[in-house]
Amino acid sequence: EPEVTQTPSHQVTQMGQEVILRCVPISNHLYFYWYRQILGQKVEFLVSFYNNEISEKSEIFDDQFSVERPDGSNFTLKIRSTKLEDSAMYFCASTRGGSPLHFGNGTRLTVT
Amino acid sequence: DQQVKQNSPSLSVQEGRISILNCDYTNSMFDYFLWYKKYPAEGPTFLISISSIKDKNEDGRFTVFLNKSAKHLSLHIVPSQPGDSAVYFCAAQENTGFQKLVFGTGTRLLVSP
Repeated sequence: EPEVTQTPSHQVTQMGQEVILRCVPISNHLYFYWYRQILGQKVEFLVSFYNNEISEKSEIFDDQFSVERPDGSNFTLKIRSTKLEDSAMYFCASTRGGSPLHFGNGTRLTVT
Repeated sequence: DQQVKQNSPSLSVQEGRISILNCDYTNSMFDYFLWYKKYPAEGPTFLISISSIKDKNEDGRFTVFLNKSAKHLSLHIVPSQPGDSAVYFCAAQENTGFQKLVFGTGTRLLVSP
């Protein structure tokens, strides 16, 4: 069965550094998402992306965050200047539309 | 902001018995509800869903019940198997066309042989 793949599985970065989290959604999917889960808390919606633009974003997704689909396969989340509170599991998800989200296994981001 | 609540952080059940996981929501605009299962070091995996126009949806051992007036849904697993041991998340969305899911905090299910 096709999968959403995320790299790296674990990223450690220093506060203030830029980080890029990478995702390869399922190939025939059209809608792409980032969610995150801070340790011990809920999985939270960050952003949805369709037709090469952001369709919706949460209040968490401020100017420090950006998303891009640079080619036909990758979908990236960039955090420009990381803060300690950005430490979390970041999940990429995709769907064809009208079907449930398929999630990747996540990238654990640790900001020190 | 507790729009979706799972009040039981954990549940232990014996193999072969029924597992019942509960979820409450407060936002009356939610019209589609999902259950996801999550194993450690993996992402959430879709299990079963229900639209607000239904009160029950069944898929093999898994049944989801929706009580709109009580803003309550439940997931029944019968018979429970040790492989069902995982964290179960309830999630809900409004009919916006984009799957901006609101998740509960999860219930850790342990099924013992």
